[in-house]
Amino acid sequence: EVQLVESGGGLVKPGGSLRLSCAASGFTFSNAWMSWVRQAPGKGLEWVGRIKSKTDGGTTDYAAPVKGRFTISRDDSKNTLYLQMNSLKTEDTAVYYCTTEYDSSDERYFDLWGRGTLVTVSS
Amino acid sequence: DIQMTQSPSSLSASVGDRVTITCRASQSISSYLNWYQQKPGKAPKLLIYAASSLQSGVPSRFSGSGSGTDFTLTISSLQPEDFATYYCQQSYSTPSFGPGTKVDIK
Repeated sequence: EVQLVESGGGLVKPGGSLRLSCAASGFTFSNAWMSWVRQAPGKGLEWVGRIKSKTDGGTTDYAAPVKGRFTISRDDSKNTLYLQMNSLKTEDTAVYYCTTEYDSSDERYFDLWGRGTLVTVSS
Repeated sequence: DIQMTQSPSSLSASVGDRVTITCRASQSISSYLNWYQQKPGKAPKLLIYAASSLQSGVPSRFSGSGSGTDFTLTISSLQPEDFATYYCQQSYSTPSFGPGTKVDIK
């Protein structure tokens, strides 16, 4: 079955750290661009960042609000995507989704999504 | 950064109605525009990519159009399972989403 399963969410104090994981199955993970998208309670969707496939350089990009605090990495041998979140703020409270990002010359979209994991930053 | 706006922010409609949602980009994004549907407590689902291409498995009552800065999502005949929030998303540059349009029952 083609799926993404996030884990690692929970309650953390402001200034703390947390690492999210996303386990992929049913497709060739190593070929996929992967992104994290978050959604604060009752709010809209916000792209967090991406990591390209190693074939495409394995580079990362981040949204301005998380740049310098969050790090995306991947372990293709384990078919797993990671999001290391440091210096967490209350405004980082959200459901975090991992998603595959299909990319071609004239199309780019998020096609496969996990169910999400909730991160709550509160004292 | 490219800003996305949507209108209306919410609408009430009846089963069988034709529904149109508009999305506007702050600069030209060619056809790099996607539409997603999200139901409460669920992950978003891709409906339309590249402005007008229907994702596999999505009913044909959904359609998309537009290019440049102005785009529309149309549901030709609203069904009970279509009551949800709809987001547009540009993929021309660093991804960004519109604020969403909630479609509820009239």
